[in-house]
Parts: sequence; structure tokens; C-alpha cells
Amino acid sequence: AQSVTQPDIHITVSEGASLELRCNYSYGATPYLFWYVQSPGQGLQLLLKYFSGDTLVQGIKGFEAEFKRSQSSFNLRKPSVHWSDAAEYFCAVGAPGLTGGGNKLTFGTGTQLKVEL
Amino acid sequence: DSGVTQTPKHLITATGQRVTLRCSPRSGDLSVYWYQQSLDQGLQFLIQYYNGEERAKGNILERFSAQQFPDLHSELNLSSLELGDSALYFCASSVTGGASGYTFGSGTRLTVV
Repeated sequence: AQSVTQPDIHITVSEGASLELRCNYSYGATPYLFWYVQSPGQGLQLLLKYFSGDTLVQGIKGFEAEFKRSQSSFNLRKPSVHWSDAAEYFCAVGAPGLTGGGNKLTFGTGTQLKVEL
Repeated sequence: DSGVTQTPKHLITATGQRVTLRCSPRSGDLSVYWYQQSLDQGLQFLIQYYNGEERAKGNILERFSAQQFPDLHSELNLSSLELGDSALYFCASSVTGGASGYTFGSGTRLTVV
């Protein structure tokens, strides 16, 4: 079964500083990987996803993530954080090769990002 | 607007009662997923339907049930409610299986008093 670990529950950064949120996954092969963001009282919005190919993927809002197979990681990065980036971020893993069903995403416990002005 | 519609947005009910949460998936999406989000449990997968059929089951209590109708909307039924069932319930949809990622609705906040 797949699993996801987000080791940082809370992270605080200053506006304009760089950001890296960590995500480690457990899966027997190369999984599908995702980052979602959740603002207070809102649903989860997809930031970016990795299926195959280039291990550096670009997403919305200036975010990027790098898949490192050797480290089983998919860390999220942003070069300069804006105050509006304050939210909770979830990493998720899915199993490729399954269509039509049984292919749920497994989410990490989330990292709460606070941005100091 | 993500295209996934959940109603109601808020629900307050008493212990022992039964409620129904509704989800309309994004146009063209065949799969519907239900998740429960609480402070202590995080995002927990409950159940998935694909084109009307149950395809995957997660940590769903026997007091909970769901179905997907021919028009692809889905309902999550919660019965004999307990205080611990208070949570945000999210519906998500995808075209086929979830490997391509989900689109989430804005959730239903259930408060059991």
C-alpha cells in the first residue's frame, strides 16, 4: 500500500524568502505524485502533479516540485513566498496503471505554512 | 469554482440523527471520491464510485453509506451520528481513476451536537 509522510507540521517563513516543503512517499514502483493547497474553509486545489518524464515539474502560483526516486521524495519549492501563500499544503500519492476505480489518492498529514510580513 | 458542487456547505445536527451529503462531480468526470477531514485524523479516504459502481472502500464506518446515481451525482449518508463524526466531508471527482488527480469540492462542514 502507498503512504506519504510530510515531516513538517508547521513552517514559518518571511515574505520574499524561499520555501521548501518536504514529502516522502512509500510505493513499490514509480507513483503518481501530487501537491494540493488548502486555504481556510476551502477545498483542496491542485498545485502540480508528476506522472513521468522530467523530474522537475512546474505548477500554478509559481510552485515547482522535484521527484527524486533515490530519496523517495517529492519536495515542493517556491523561490519567493508571498503572504497569500499562507495555507495548508498536502502531498499525495497515487498508483499508476489502474483506471476506472480502486485508484484512490493517499494524502499526507499536511504542512501548515505561515508567512511573516 | 472547481466544478465540483457539494451541498449543503454547513450542517448542524444532533447525535443519533441521519444526514445526507450531496456531490455533483465536474462535467465529464466519472469517478467520485469521498474524504473525511478532521483535526486528529487528517484526510481519510472513505469510498469511491466509478460510473455508478463502488470501486474502492477506505476507512468508512458501517453507519456510513454512499451511492452514485445514473446522472453521476453522489450522496453520502451518515446515520446514528456521534460527536466524533463532526468533520469536513469532501467530495472529489476525476475523469477515470484517481491517478490523474482529483478536483475537489469546497466541502460540507458537519457539526454534531
